[in-house]
Amino acid sequence: EVQLLESGGGLVQPGGSLRLSCAASGFTFSGYDMTWVRQAPGKGLEWVSGISGSGDRTYYADSVKGRFTISRDNSKNTLYLQINSLRAEDTAVYYCAFPPESSFDYWGQGTLVTVSS
Amino acid sequence: DIQMTQSPSSLSASVGDRVTITCRASQGITSDLGWYQQKPGKAPKRLIYAASTLQSGVPSRFSGSGSGTEFTLTISSLHPEDFSTYYCLQYNTYPCSFGQGTKLESK
Repeated sequence: EVQLLESGGGLVQPGGSLRLSCAASGFTFSGYDMTWVRQAPGKGLEWVSGISGSGDRTYYADSVKGRFTISRDNSKNTLYLQINSLRAEDTAVYYCAFPPESSFDYWGQGTLVTVSS
Repeated sequence: DIQMTQSPSSLSASVGDRVTITCRASQGITSDLGWYQQKPGKAPKRLIYAASTLQSGVPSRFSGSGSGTEFTLTISSLHPEDFSTYYCLQYNTYPCSFGQGTKLESK
């Protein structure tokens, strides 16, 4: 059974940093590109970042470019999102998921990041 | 970047109604589009990918069509569990982009 389990969210002050993790199981992790999507409270979905299966190609939304870094450790079956210089508008539930071009559709349960002083 | 314009933003309908939601891309995206359903407090669930391919396990009352810049999601006969929020997502060009969402409510 495919499982994606996010962790690392929490309350952080503006300008702070967090590293989100997504532990994957039930499939050959290194064989799949992966994606982060977020949703601010009461708002729509926003695609945030993507990474190739080998980790050599990364992609970002303009709103996070230069502040967020996606990475993966295929030996640990784990996807990461390093988020720096946090702003109030980064407050959201962050989901890891299979990429939209995949025929498979799997999402984690999400982890909440709250940016507030 | 590609902008996705989704309409309507909200829609009232009744059980048994036929409903159509539209997404328009700011430039051609061939058929690289998915449709998602999201219920409150839950992760999104994909209904359609490649514009018209039904995701495994999704009821056949859901269908998608279109290519290029114009896409539609159709629910042929609304069931009570279909009242939810729907999003389109283009994945033709990075960064990927979602539509603004359509909230489907019971009339």
